[in-house]
Amino acid sequence: KAGVTQTPRYLIKTRGQQVTLSCSPISGHRSVSWYQQTPGQGLQFLFEYFSETQRNKGNFPGRFSGRQFSNSRSEMNVSTLELGDSALYLCASSSGRPSTDTQYFGPGTRLTVL
Amino acid sequence: DAKTTQPNSMESNEEEPVHLPCNHSTISGTDYIHWYRQLPSQGPEYVIHGLTSNVNNRMASLAIAEDRKSSTLILHRATLRDAAVYYCILRDQAGTALIFGKGTTLSVSS
Repeated sequence: KAGVTQTPRYLIKTRGQQVTLSCSPISGHRSVSWYQQTPGQGLQFLFEYFSETQRNKGNFPGRFSGRQFSNSRSEMNVSTLELGDSALYLCASSSGRPSTDTQYFGPGTRLTVL
Repeated sequence: DAKTTQPNSMESNEEEPVHLPCNHSTISGTDYIHWYRQLPSQGPEYVIHGLTSNVNNRMASLAIAEDRKSSTLILHRATLRDAAVYYCILRDQAGTALIFGKGTTLSVSS
């Protein structure tokens, strides 16, 4: 099975711009979760989509949004970029079964905001 | 989600067993204990999980205390490739997210 893919792998933006990141889950997986990783805050949960619906959300401002398509592919969008949004953005796919499912992570998208 | 406490760092020699501890004194009866690890420049990867009984898989073993207030991830023979940050995570019945703490940075020397 192909793993989780994320595009693009690297991105450079300037403050105030917006950005869209894409995640293709493992075939058959219906859940996609997004995480932000920074040196200061570590790995933080952004949100989770299951069957095109946001099922869970972390503590991030409304500038961070996402969606999931009928083929389970997911996108996340960050509007009005700030310097602090520079981070590694990871997506993970899973069966979506709470509590016990295994989450498979992609390689991440490295976003740099100048 | 209940909190976990792990040592910041640990060191090991290649070919030796490694015991990575995790304290979770506020764990509830239905919380699962999960371990993930993150190798340098990679996304996290699943290691093992359990509820009450000890668990084994090809990567590691998970020993869970009888009162479930602590657990230990056991790598039976550390290799250089096991150098990573190891995260102990509790997931409740509705838990669809992984709530990561700081984890334990494991260094392995040859």
